[in-house]
Amino acid sequence: QVQLVESGGGVVQPGKSLGLSCAASGFTFNNYAMYWVRQAPGKGLEWVAVISYDGRNKYYADSVKGRSTVSRDNSKKTLYLQVNSLRGEDTAVYYCAKTANPLVDVHGWIDSWGQGTLVTVSS
Amino acid sequence: SYEVTQPPSVSVSPGQTASITCSGDKLGGEYVSWYQQKPGQSPVMVIYQDSKRPSGIPERFSGSNSGDTATLTISGTQAMDEADYYCQAWDSSSVVFGGGTKLTVL
Repeated sequence: QVQLVESGGGVVQPGKSLGLSCAASGFTFNNYAMYWVRQAPGKGLEWVAVISYDGRNKYYADSVKGRSTVSRDNSKKTLYLQVNSLRGEDTAVYYCAKTANPLVDVHGWIDSWGQGTLVTVSS
Repeated sequence: SYEVTQPPSVSVSPGQTASITCSGDKLGGEYVSWYQQKPGQSPVMVIYQDSKRPSGIPERFSGSNSGDTATLTISGTQAMDEADYYCQAWDSSSVVFGGGTKLTVL
């Protein structure tokens, strides 16, 4: 059974940085691209970043490009997201998610989601 | 950047058919997925590759995609189907979500 458990959320001051983690289990982690998707309070889903199964390719939404880094440690079955220069509009629940498509670079669809971790950017 | 558009809300009576659209330029040339999200819960995929249902998703959920519009159809809608629904597609190497549609079962 696939499990994705995010951690690292909390209250952060504007301009600061935050690192999120997602511990994966129940599947062969190093075979699947992984996503970060966020949802601001009362708003819709917003894609943040995706990383290929081998970590070679990474793509970001314009809203976080240049101040975020997605990475993964396949030996630890863990996905990471670092966001710098945080702004109020970064306040959201951040979900870790898994593609349904093994050994495909990044393109696919999401078949599993974590429970999310809340990031609140506030002074 | 590429955008896909959904109606903010759709209402349906129990037992009737609900249709939720997702519109974007030449969207029919891309695979579309649909996700259901109930309050306080994580999203769940209900349709992938335009029209395929994951295991465990009831047969009343179906999808289509042609031209500029993808459609999620729920036949014989039940009260438990009341939720937000999001379409998703790819634009080059970017994931695109629709703004979401709140389905109300009256």
